[in-house]
Amino acid sequence: DTEVTQTPKHLVMGMTNKKSLKCEQHMGHRAMYWYKQKAKKPPELMFVYSYEKLSINESVPSRFSPECPNSSLLNLHLHALQPEDSALYLCASSQADSRNGYTFGSGTRLTVV
Amino acid sequence: AQSVSQHNHHVILSEAASLELGCNYSYGGTVNLFWYVQYPGQHLQLLLKYFSGDPLVKGIKGFEAEFIKSKFSFNLRKPSVQWSDTAEYFCAVNPTSGTYKYIFGTGTRLKVLA
Repeated sequence: DTEVTQTPKHLVMGMTNKKSLKCEQHMGHRAMYWYKQKAKKPPELMFVYSYEKLSINESVPSRFSPECPNSSLLNLHLHALQPEDSALYLCASSQADSRNGYTFGSGTRLTVV
Repeated sequence: AQSVSQHNHHVILSEAASLELGCNYSYGGTVNLFWYVQYPGQHLQLLLKYFSGDPLVKGIKGFEAEFIKSKFSFNLRKPSVQWSDTAEYFCAVNPTSGTYKYIFGTGTRLKVLA
């Protein structure tokens, strides 16, 4: 298995809703990432987990809450989002030695209404 | 601050034309370098990578890139593009100083005319 699987592919949520994005990989990668990508912009790093521990938080608002239950799974819990949070949320994984590059998932396209 | 610059935001070429996309980075230490491609409606895929050795690296689909340390550059090339190369191309830099963080350039949108 050489894929990163993200669910759901599309999500529409209200500003008072609570939802979660899920990401799964079975490549034995020990680093997992959440990126946010707005239209026609490069991906922006949100969080990095290394060996299931949060190692980087790029000053992301607390309405985004990451969780890494085990080495194969990464969640992003969403609560009280704003319309400007609408974007493509990308999950990626890499070996512990990140110089081999990331494997990206297809993303979850999130719309906040 | 660390940054990655891609000078060409939009490039339009005819099939069989040669391609060169520029990428420059600002970081004083050792880096790992990457080019990613995002085809319309698809996820980001790794085209090629450099972390040591021969500064001319070859990737998938006939792409290659050359690392010029003195110019802090990692330009992407392809001798003859195809219509199927229409996509967005991102350069990315990963400082080797113990961080997993990648810094992406702003991307170059390539359109190849059949």
